[in-house]
Amino acid sequence: SQQGEEDPQALSIQEGENATMNCSYKTSINNLQWYRQNSGRGLVHLILIRSNEREKHSGRLRVTLDTSKKSSSLLITASRAADTASYFCATGDMRFGAGTRLTVKP
Amino acid sequence: DAMVIQNPRYQVTQFGKPVTLSCSQTLNHNVMYWYQQKSSQAPKLLFHYYDKDFNNEADTPDNFQSRRPNTSFCFLDIRSPGLGDAAMYLCATSRDGLVTGEQFFGPGTRLTVL
Repeated sequence: SQQGEEDPQALSIQEGENATMNCSYKTSINNLQWYRQNSGRGLVHLILIRSNEREKHSGRLRVTLDTSKKSSSLLITASRAADTASYFCATGDMRFGAGTRLTVKP
Repeated sequence: DAMVIQNPRYQVTQFGKPVTLSCSQTLNHNVMYWYQQKSSQAPKLLFHYYDKDFNNEADTPDNFQSRRPNTSFCFLDIRSPGLGDAAMYLCATSRDGLVTGEQFFGPGTRLTVL
């Protein structure tokens, strides 16, 4: 069964803009992970944030976690056309949300 | 390069004809996972092996079986594929168990059932 739920389901932006995706989950977690999936391919791990962390950065990615609200957000800054993909959050027991389909227009 | 390899990338089978998908890894990870992903949906965990210990998800149909003969290889057997089993099947590995670390995914095998 699904654990994480992402919103929006789809997001379309121009190159250079920032993209924010949100994830909500239902049960207690040890960590939350974000993955990217290019069309028809496997998933690529982006970042893991532990339950005792509130914010984490990796390059142009910024992830926040609010355990009181059972929610996380992924921010991609200065987006590029190559960022076009689906983005999934997954809780520590690997229940994936439905994903956000991001399109970055050149 | 260390990686997760899935063969074949595309598999076509007939309704009811058993099919086996394979996964191998050069990462020497303890845990191997199989996911099913249908079009525009999230990956759904079917089962995983922690070393030789098999862990089945409660809602995984009996039609799906798995084997892990050694650390490097893991197989997904679909005994009698139905049209609803057409999907992308993803194999993944992690060094540790579910609650701790990142997973490394293979490119997937897209299964078509005729």
